[in-house]
Amino acid sequence: GAGVSQSPSNKVTEKGKDVELRCDPISGHTALYWYRQRLGQGLEFLIYFQGNSAPDKSGLPSDRFSAERTGESVSTLTIQRTQQEDSAVYLCASSPRGGPRGDEQYFGPGTRLTVT
Amino acid sequence: GEDVEQSLFLSVREGDSSVINCTYTDSSSTYLYWYKQEPGAGLQLLTYIFSNMDMKQDQRLTVLLNKKDKHLSLRIADTQTGDSAIYFCAETQTGANNLFFGTGTRLTVIP
Repeated sequence: GAGVSQSPSNKVTEKGKDVELRCDPISGHTALYWYRQRLGQGLEFLIYFQGNSAPDKSGLPSDRFSAERTGESVSTLTIQRTQQEDSAVYLCASSPRGGPRGDEQYFGPGTRLTVT
Repeated sequence: GEDVEQSLFLSVREGDSSVINCTYTDSSSTYLYWYKQEPGAGLQLLTYIFSNMDMKQDQRLTVLLNKKDKHLSLRIADTQTGDSAIYFCAETQTGANNLFFGTGTRLTVIP
């Protein structure tokens, strides 16, 4: 079956503009994660959705970052008033159930965001 | 959480063994993972080890876990050019919903 998909694959934007990044999880997966990977660094957790529970937003770096997910479907990560330090690859992962089990997290190919 | 640490670069000759090291932070981590990331691709889970194990072998991959020192290693036997990639270790941490990743080790295999 289809894996996790993300769009766009690449996005170049000007500093100060808003961007939306999309993640389509694997069908039936209740949990969804967003991570950020800056150049030469590991993945930083941003936000976690699990079913109808309140999302875990503890990783969002500032109030310019927000994410939504409707039910168990698509999620959108929005970055307002982008800054150059937001340049990174944004990775989405989905999981058939909640919790941090890495063997159950399936990663998408990522969106490479470049802020000029 | 605190940082999961890895060395940034490793170069080996084709056919040799590669050993990638990681120091993790949470002594109560239940699972520890190794992921591979090829250029332009997402993360691929390679293998993982449960914390009550010292070693796990899976074909060319051997994972060693030293809980006392909170040290995890990944050995790749007979390294091939297709193994060139960035390798990340990751741990679960008590009370957290997410994984905590190291900075990644870029493995370069020299033909």
